[in-house]
Amino acid sequence: QVQLVQSGSELKKPGASVKVSCKASGYTFTSYAMNWVRQAPGQGLEWMGWINTNTGNPTYAQGFTGRFVFSLDTSVSTAYLQISSLKAEDTAVYYCAREGYSGYVQYYFDYWGQGTLVTVSS
Amino acid sequence: QSALTQPASVSGSPGQSITISCTGTSSDVGGYNYVSWYQQHPGKAPKLMIYEVSNRPSGVSNRFSGSKSGNTASLTISGLQAEDEADYYCSSYTSSRYVFGTGTKVTVL
Repeated sequence: QVQLVQSGSELKKPGASVKVSCKASGYTFTSYAMNWVRQAPGQGLEWMGWINTNTGNPTYAQGFTGRFVFSLDTSVSTAYLQISSLKAEDTAVYYCAREGYSGYVQYYFDYWGQGTLVTVSS
Repeated sequence: QSALTQPASVSGSPGQSITISCTGTSSDVGGYNYVSWYQQHPGKAPKLMIYEVSNRPSGVSNRFSGSKSGNTASLTISGLQAEDEADYYCSSYTSSRYVFGTGTKVTVL
């Protein structure tokens, strides 16, 4: 069965960096794009961008350029989200979400990781 | 890209039907048949409930249905049950790929 398992909660100080992992299993990792979604405390879902797992090419949504980096390690079927120069407002749950595909791209998220809480506090 | 507009809250009694709206523009909801809906219980990851406007993934109850008219998509929950109490988000494909709705809290009275 398809599973996306994310790394555990992180507590970081302002200015530090964090790297969240999302390990996929149960399917061919490079056949499905991976997306990242942020949810600040008590707030809604915000699409951060996606990474082409075949080419490694990332695309970032507005507001997520510069300090946010998506990467892959296809040898272990894992996607990563790195955030640098952390700010208090980066405190949120970060989800990885697989994009649907059935011979062609299907624009929805069919499987989600369990979420990783990143807390930025001095 | 602005978030799609959803009502903040919708409520209904068990057994009733409720409808959640999701209003966008011709650049997102109105321009593509790629509207999806997600259910999120507190502390849990979102779950896909509807994709491509009106399609239900395997395992999702047929009490959930989706539709679209112009720039507004809708999710209808029929035969409301206690377990349906959750937050619901719509999402649409756009030129920048995706946008989510503002979210709707569904309360079962």
